[in-house]
Amino acid sequence: GAVVSQHPSRVICKSGTSVKIECRSLDFQATTMFWYRQFPKQSLMLMATSNEGSKATYEQGVEKDKFLINHASLTLSTLTVTSAHPEDSSFYICSAREHPRTSTGYEQYFGPGTRLTVT
Amino acid sequence: GQNIDQPTEMTATEGAIVQINCTYQTSGFNGLFWYQQHAGEAPTFLSYNVLDGLEEKGRFSSFLSRSKGYSYLLLKELQMKDSASYLCAVNSNDYKLSFGAGTTVTVRA
Repeated sequence: GAVVSQHPSRVICKSGTSVKIECRSLDFQATTMFWYRQFPKQSLMLMATSNEGSKATYEQGVEKDKFLINHASLTLSTLTVTSAHPEDSSFYICSAREHPRTSTGYEQYFGPGTRLTVT
Repeated sequence: GQNIDQPTEMTATEGAIVQINCTYQTSGFNGLFWYQQHAGEAPTFLSYNVLDGLEEKGRFSSFLSRSKGYSYLLLKELQMKDSASYLCAVNSNDYKLSFGAGTTVTVRA
């Protein structure tokens, strides 16, 4: 149980285009999903918290107009990188928190990640 | 702000034991997680500590001291497949996870 999928796993796009990444909880309902980005040999940096049916909460320094997040249902959240630039190239990982609270204290289940390369 | 420190790299021999330390200073505390991450893959859950003490799960054990802001992950009987990055993450008051930079463990034959 508690499987999270991400699509696509890899994407290459040209500078100036937009890319949408999907995150799905396959066998549980996720009231909260999180989006992270990770640069090589660095840790996961939280970008935003996405709650179903409401606006996402962005971390300081993350441009909400550039990284559009939609959490339309209890099993799907999307991240759209708008007008992508080479510096947006990174590994984007989503996670989902199961509701109600699990025995491990709000454990987050991670998707397999999406490798974005902007040329 | 959140400050979570762990060593960058560790190397050990197959069959040996390795201990990865993590110290943290965070705004609030609702538990500490350890995750394993292989290159190019998402983190996978290893352990969770919210109370002081040692939690043992097979070859992996995790310890927490809240008063010291300290945790460690102990890997026993190391196997080649244990070569990976190990991430310490703290659940803060708003239940967001703050991650350390990760410790890359290399297991040598």
